[in-house]
Amino acid sequence: GAVVSQHPSWVICKSGTSVKIECRSLDFQATTMFWYRQFPKQSLMLMATSNEGSKATYEQGVEKDKFLINHASLTLSTLTVTSAHPEDSSFYICSARARREGSYNSPLHFGNGTRLTVT
Amino acid sequence: EDQVTQSPEALRLQEGESSSLNCSYTVSGLRGLFWYRQDPGKGPEFLFTLYSAGEEKEKERLKATLTKKESFLHITAPKPEDSATYLCAVQAHSGYSTLTFGKGTMLLVSP
Repeated sequence: GAVVSQHPSWVICKSGTSVKIECRSLDFQATTMFWYRQFPKQSLMLMATSNEGSKATYEQGVEKDKFLINHASLTLSTLTVTSAHPEDSSFYICSARARREGSYNSPLHFGNGTRLTVT
Repeated sequence: EDQVTQSPEALRLQEGESSSLNCSYTVSGLRGLFWYRQDPGKGPEFLFTLYSAGEEKEKERLKATLTKKESFLHITAPKPEDSATYLCAVQAHSGYSTLTFGKGTMLLVSP
């Protein structure tokens, strides 16, 4: 149980274009989803917290107009990288906590990530 | 500011050679400490949650322990399939749901 599906697994785009990444909780409802970014040999850095039906909460230094997050349902959150540039190339990973688990310290379940390369 | 430091950065073991990975942390009130395994090009896979000092959790060849300042992930008689990056993360009482991750320890087990 607690499977998080992320799509696409990799994408290459040209500088200036936008890319959408989908994150779905397959067998549970997720009121909150989290978007992380990971550079090679670095830790996962939280970008934003996505709450179903409300605006996302962005971490300091993350541009909300560049990284658009939509959490339209209890099983789907999307991250759109707008006007992508080579420095946005990274590994983007979403995660979710099962609604049924309730407690704030229950584990996060992660998707398999999206490798974004901007040329 | 919550901080997580993992050591060593990389560890190479022979199959069957037991060892331990360290996760030192500073947090303003620990709600939970989490261990994850991450394979190359994949998302982290949950292993353990520890909530209080003295607690231990086991799963196959892995055992996680927790003190007030650090956690250890002990690997007993590792196999090549245990090769992965092991991530440690903490959640503070004040940080609603969010986790602070360390950089991980890259483990390579040779046959």
